[in-house]
Amino acid sequence: DQQVKQNSPSLSVQEGRISILNCDYTNSMFDYFLWYKKYPAEGPTFLISISSIKDKNEDGRFTVFLNKSAKHLSLHIVPSQPGDSAVYFCAASRSFGNEKLTFGTGTRLTIIP
Amino acid sequence: GAGVSQSPRYKVAKRGQDVALRCDPISGHVSLFWYQQALGQGPEFLTYFQNEAQLDKSGLPSDRFFAERPEGSVSTLKIQRTQQEDSAVYLCASSPAGSGTQYFGPGTRLLVL
Repeated sequence: DQQVKQNSPSLSVQEGRISILNCDYTNSMFDYFLWYKKYPAEGPTFLISISSIKDKNEDGRFTVFLNKSAKHLSLHIVPSQPGDSAVYFCAASRSFGNEKLTFGTGTRLTIIP
Repeated sequence: GAGVSQSPRYKVAKRGQDVALRCDPISGHVSLFWYQQALGQGPEFLTYFQNEAQLDKSGLPSDRFFAERPEGSVSTLKIQRTQQEDSAVYLCASSPAGSGTQYFGPGTRLLVL
């Protein structure tokens, strides 16, 4: 039972345009969500997070949107840069603080120069 | 500052051999997590420590897997009598008290032949 789903295994975006990565979840107990970026042979790097009490969180070029009623979140990257090419994982936990993360299967983002 | 470190980075084991994987968390981080990542998948939770106490081991796939964190800092994940299906990347993450964000190490890639 995949509780966190990333239905797009890959995405290609032109440099300078907006990249939108999507994530759906099924467990209504999840209330804290994170995005991680992963380069080959490295561990996941934390990008941005959002608590269920918010519907948007922004950090520089990265914005995460949360739609609780739809159990959907998205990561927007604008403008996209070549260094953004990586695998992006969506993760969720049941509470803020010291809870295991449940990950999606990842989306490989390729930025085309 | 120093991030989470893991050793060895790569390990090749013969089926039936025991292996020990080490994790050095970020100094002062109370929580430590182990995850297993199979090829093409997201990380999956194995076990969680708060200081030296193992609070959740529900993700350990069999009794061949054992983890410890005796002094509340360094942790070791031990796999006894390795099987081919144990081949994966083993990721360690740490988190400060009261934080929902986990910081990952580079992982140990285990290949069981």
